[in-house]
Amino acid sequence: QQQVKQSPQSLIVQKGGIPIINCAYENTAFDYFPWYQQFPGKGPALLIAIRPDVSEKKEGRFTISFNKSAKQFSLHIMDSQPGDSATYFCAASMWIGNQFYFGTGTSLTVIP
Amino acid sequence: NAGVMQNPRHLVRRRGQEARLRCSPMKGHSHVYWYRQLPEEGLKFMVYLQKENIIDESGMPKERFSAEFPKEGPSILRIQQVVRGDSAAYFCASSPGPSGYNEQFFGPGTRLTVL
Repeated sequence: QQQVKQSPQSLIVQKGGIPIINCAYENTAFDYFPWYQQFPGKGPALLIAIRPDVSEKKEGRFTISFNKSAKQFSLHIMDSQPGDSATYFCAASMWIGNQFYFGTGTSLTVIP
Repeated sequence: NAGVMQNPRHLVRRRGQEARLRCSPMKGHSHVYWYRQLPEEGLKFMVYLQKENIIDESGMPKERFSAEFPKEGPSILRIQQVVRGDSAAYFCASSPGPSGYNEQFFGPGTRLTVL
């Protein structure tokens, strides 16, 4: 049972475009939502994270939008660059828990 | 400050052999998590350990898999009598505290291939 559902599986955009990756969850006990970026052969690295008390968080070119009522959150990458080509994972966790529940990942390719 | 270290980076085993994967957390981190990543899939939680204690092993297969995090030394994920289905990337992460809000820092992973 996939606790966090992520889409699309893959995404190709032109340089400068704004790829959007979406995630949805069911468990209302989740209250921390990080996004991880993974390059081939490397471990995932935290990109940006949000808590449900805010609807949007922006760090540099990366923005998370959070819709608590719909139980959905998404990652937007502004002015995407070829160096952003990687696999992106959304995740969720609970205050009282410690494991992260990961989505299945989105492979992003940014074409020069 | 070195990040999370994992070794070996690549491990090849024949069916029936044992695999030992090691993880040294970041300095000052006493919480370790192991995840498994199958091709084209996300990371699946396996086990959460603190020094000398297993806190949550709900994601660990009931047989052949075990994990430890001794008082001294790295955390070890042990897979006995490996089968082809164990072929995957195994990632270790560490955090400074137990809260779900703490960032988990991931190591580079160990890629296990079972022949």
